[in-house]
Amino acid sequence: QKEVEQDPGPLSVPEGAIVSLNCTYSNSAFQYFMWYRQYSRKGPELLMYTYSSGNKEDGRFTAQVDKSSKYISLFIRDSQPSDSATYLCASNNQAGTALIFGKGTTLSVSS
Amino acid sequence: DTEVTQTPKHLVMGMTNKKSLKCEQHMGHRAMYWYKQKAKKPPELMFVYSYEKLSINESVPSRFSPECPNSSLLNLHLHALQPEDSALYLCASSQGPGTANTEAFFGQGTRLTVV
Repeated sequence: QKEVEQDPGPLSVPEGAIVSLNCTYSNSAFQYFMWYRQYSRKGPELLMYTYSSGNKEDGRFTAQVDKSSKYISLFIRDSQPSDSATYLCASNNQAGTALIFGKGTTLSVSS
Repeated sequence: DTEVTQTPKHLVMGMTNKKSLKCEQHMGHRAMYWYKQKAKKPPELMFVYSYEKLSINESVPSRFSPECPNSSLLNLHLHALQPEDSALYLCASSQGPGTANTEAFFGQGTRLTVV
């Protein structure tokens, strides 16, 4: 079993919709959780970073971690066509170790 | 500034060529990484350098040779590659062991084509 599972989609929504992207993980030692956005043929861009459980909000983006169910979520409010990209969740258990990535979810927001 | 700079952006090389990919960061990060990414796949870890020492080698073939000349620079030397090695090569950095933050920042990648 892969340590971080993510539905690859694709996910298509109309502009203005609320988008929910989700991952599950199996390693109880994971404490750090990240969401990256990757446009085609570009490097991943760090969107959100959370430590342990809880919510974190940044503009239209909210990251949520539920360690009891090992569930990671990213919500995008008022989605825009410019949000069309692949979203990768990632995790690790300590600083300086490599990230474990999910497969990535491809999101398409139509105007 | 959260910038990781990679050069070149694109590289086409023959199977007998020797080339190098370069990566630079000025965030004071002490962990640097090389990842390989094929189309529609997540990044796949190749190497980790921690405090300029190689700490992880994910069983990468010897035709890929990493080098960390100092805390800001990371190179990936390429020799006798195969067409299946064509991919996007990503460099990343993070603060490193013993720090509170683990988030990694990625460069824009080098798109490598082996012919």
